[in-house]
Amino acid sequence: EVQLLESGGGLVQPGGSLRLSCAASGFTFSSYAMSWVRQAPGKGLEWVSGISGSGHTTYKADSVKGRFTISRDNSENTLYLQMNSLRAEDTAVYYCAKVFDYTDSFDYWGQGTLVTVSS
Amino acid sequence: QSALTQPASVSGSPGQSITISCTGTSSDVGSYNLVSWYQQHPGKAPELMIYEVSKRPSGVSNRFSGSKSGNTASLTISGFQAADEADYYCCSYAGSRTYVFGTGTKVTVL
Repeated sequence: EVQLLESGGGLVQPGGSLRLSCAASGFTFSSYAMSWVRQAPGKGLEWVSGISGSGHTTYKADSVKGRFTISRDNSENTLYLQMNSLRAEDTAVYYCAKVFDYTDSFDYWGQGTLVTVSS
Repeated sequence: QSALTQPASVSGSPGQSITISCTGTSSDVGSYNLVSWYQQHPGKAPELMIYEVSKRPSGVSNRFSGSKSGNTASLTISGFQAADEADYYCCSYAGSRTYVFGTGTKVTVL
């Protein structure tokens, strides 16, 4: 059974940093691209960043370029999102999501972790 | 990258068919047959319902179907049930390994 379990969310001040983790199990982690998707309170979904299965290639939304870095440790089956220079508008539930083969869709999602940026 | 446009809400009676539209541009929806749809119940993670415009993942009811014409994709729920009440989001590949989601549609039972 595929499982994705996010952790690392919490309250952080504007300008601060936070690192999210997503522990994956139930599939060959290194064979699949992964993404982070966020959802501000009461708002819609926003794709944040993606990474290839090998970890060699990463992609980001314009809204987080220069501030967020996605990475993965295939030996630990874990996906990360390093978030720096956090802003109030980054407040959201952050989901990690597995890319469904080569369909450019997301077939498994974690339960999400809440990041609150506030002073 | 601007969000794809969806109606804020759609309502339907049990047994009816309802359709949710998702309008993008020639840079996303119009350029790729890579539109997916997600169902999200309150407090839950999204669930994949349709991928590559019209394909259903294993386990998803055949009451859900997808289509696309030009820059607009659509999700149709036939035989609408109370359990289908949820928020629905479309998503399109937007090039350079980036993605754009729709604004979301709240589907309710009349």
